[in-house]
Amino acid sequence: DIVMTQSPDSLAVSLGERTTIDCKSSQSVLKNSNNKNYLAWYQQKPGQPPKLLIYWASTRESGVPDRFSGSGSGTDFTLTISSLQAEDVAVYYCQQYYSPPQTFGQGTKVEIK
Amino acid sequence: EVQLVESGGGLVQPGGSLRLSCAASGFTLSDQYMDWVRQAPGQGLEWVGRTRDKAHSYTTDYAASVKGRFTFSRDDSSNSLYLQMNSLKTEDTAVYYCGSRKSATAGISYWGQGTLVTVSS
Repeated sequence: DIVMTQSPDSLAVSLGERTTIDCKSSQSVLKNSNNKNYLAWYQQKPGQPPKLLIYWASTRESGVPDRFSGSGSGTDFTLTISSLQAEDVAVYYCQQYYSPPQTFGQGTKVEIK
Repeated sequence: EVQLVESGGGLVQPGGSLRLSCAASGFTLSDQYMDWVRQAPGQGLEWVGRTRDKAHSYTTDYAASVKGRFTFSRDDSSNSLYLQMNSLKTEDTAVYYCGSRKSATAGISYWGQGTLVTVSS
């Protein structure tokens, strides 16, 4: 199984500041046949289902604000929030869908400082 | 508008069975890969498994923790997905979500609100 490890587990950031969350996979999730990384990022607020933010490591889902961006390839990935807003308080998860089981990271909790 | 609505959760004793339903609207279920994801109270997300679309013969993948105990099925006539859970354990206690993807190679775009399964004596 591919193990997904996120860092940090939690962070507190001031409004308007830049936030980065890292995700590392135990093996590459880059599919050579189409040169795409099978890596997604989700946001989950309390009492709500997850919401897809990013797929293919860097493609923003429609309707997601452009302050959210994804980068990385192979085994190392980053979710960046360019300017944290109050509504971004949530837990963020990465997920690989390269091969089953399609494992999630343990989550990163983002709070306001 | 795409909508997924789960139902069927509840309290069940260890060793018991339960069947969850996921009613889909706004798209044709047979054209979609469908996932089940669960979340134990206060914990992170755990992928339970998926069923591929009709073009891929509805083949399935399961997480090791549920393989042999959980089974996915579909009723395309009612646009519904089912999760049959047998030999339930206390560690299966979780909110269960069904989800769908815009394409097989994308993330899970659409999620239901989830249904809570509690396994306890």
